[in-house]
Amino acid sequence: KNEVEQSPQNLTAQEGEFITINCSYSVGISALHWLQQHPGGGIVSLFMLSSGKKKHGRLIATINIQEKHSSLHITASHPRDSAVYICAVRSGSNYQLIWGAGTKLIIKP
Amino acid sequence: SQTIHQWPATLVQPVGSPLSLECTVEGTSNPNLYWYRQAAGRGLQLLFYSVGIGQISSEVPQNLSASRPQDRQFILSSKKLLLSDSGFYLCAWSARVKGAEAFFGQGTRLTVV
Repeated sequence: KNEVEQSPQNLTAQEGEFITINCSYSVGISALHWLQQHPGGGIVSLFMLSSGKKKHGRLIATINIQEKHSSLHITASHPRDSAVYICAVRSGSNYQLIWGAGTKLIIKP
Repeated sequence: SQTIHQWPATLVQPVGSPLSLECTVEGTSNPNLYWYRQAAGRGLQLLFYSVGIGQISSEVPQNLSASRPQDRQFILSSKKLLLSDSGFYLCAWSARVKGAEAFFGQGTRLTVV
């Protein structure tokens, strides 16, 4: 079993829909990252969370430390939101990142 | 401000050729440095990390090596590439503080032919 599990693996939705991507982890963490990867490969950091909730524009990220679970929400989704969204947790004495496999999101116009 | 540079962005190399990917960090000192790899259809996986000059830890046995000749320079190398080395390589750094944010290079898409 992977230490970081994301769901769903693939998600296709219509423009304007509310999107939720989930991340569960099984290790102790010091922080959790949500990142976005576009087809060209470049990775952009969206959020880093250690507790509670963060909001940036149409993106909202929440984390429940007790349940070892985080969610990324996108409100009023747009085709330009199409990308792979990756959850990664910081764990261990060297603060390495353990990565989820990613969720491929396609927003249709 | 802190920045991280990783190059090249894309690379096509023949089997058996050498590899050198470079990552440099600006605006900080004494960072933890990391190399990750994403094989096709899989999540990113830690290859190497470094807590200081000349200090390299390997997480996964492979055909690759890493070096840190300067505090803010991290190099990923191979003497002879294999087809299975194809993938997306990502350099990252973070401060040596619990909960410090991680910063990422743009990545290198390597295709071994």
